[in-house]
Amino acid sequence: QVQLVESGGGVVQPGGSLRLSCAAYGFTFSNYGMHWVRQAPGKGLDWVAVISFDGSKEYYADSVKGRFSISRDNSKNTLYLQMGGLKPEDTAVYYCAKDSSDLQVVPSWWFGPWGQGTLVTVSS
Amino acid sequence: QSALTQPPSVSGSPGHSVTISCTGTSSDVGGYNRVSWYKQSPGAAPKLIIYEVTYRPSGVPDRFSGSKSGNTASLTFSGLQAEDEADYYCSSYSSSSTYVLFGGGTKLTVL
Repeated sequence: QVQLVESGGGVVQPGGSLRLSCAAYGFTFSNYGMHWVRQAPGKGLDWVAVISFDGSKEYYADSVKGRFSISRDNSKNTLYLQMGGLKPEDTAVYYCAKDSSDLQVVPSWWFGPWGQGTLVTVSS
Repeated sequence: QSALTQPPSVSGSPGHSVTISCTGTSSDVGGYNRVSWYKQSPGAAPKLIIYEVTYRPSGVPDRFSGSKSGNTASLTFSGLQAEDEADYYCSSYSSSSTYVLFGGGTKLTVL
């Protein structure tokens, strides 16, 4: 069965950087686009970014464009999110989620399954 | 203010039907069939329950159904059960530069 395991969260000061990882199991990782979606404490869901199955195409939410970078290593079945210029409003649980598009550069734009999430706290 | 509008809460009795609405614009919900719904139980990750407006992933009960009319999508529960109590979020692709919009979430209470 599909399993996604995020790691790399923690406490970081405003302006700092952090890299999140998402290890994938139970499916052919290299065939599917992958998303990051976040959820601030007690708030709703907020889409962050998506990368195509082969890494050739990336899309970002306006709120993170220029500060965050999504990437993947298909040889390691791992998705990454490099976060820089962090702001207190970036504080959230960050989830990785599988896109349903199979070998398509354009995502399906829905997400499932999801990992359990990793908490990022931006605070001085 | 979330980009897609959902009611903050809905409730219903076991066995009854309830509908959650999700209102957007012609640039998102109304313009594309990239509407999806997610169930989130307390302390858990979201789970996809409806995609492409009306389709259910395998394993999702057929008590859940999705539809769309104009700029409003809907999630309907036919025959509420206690385990349906959770937060529900809609999502849509958007032709805006941010690509994906979520609703603010609806808390479903089973009375």
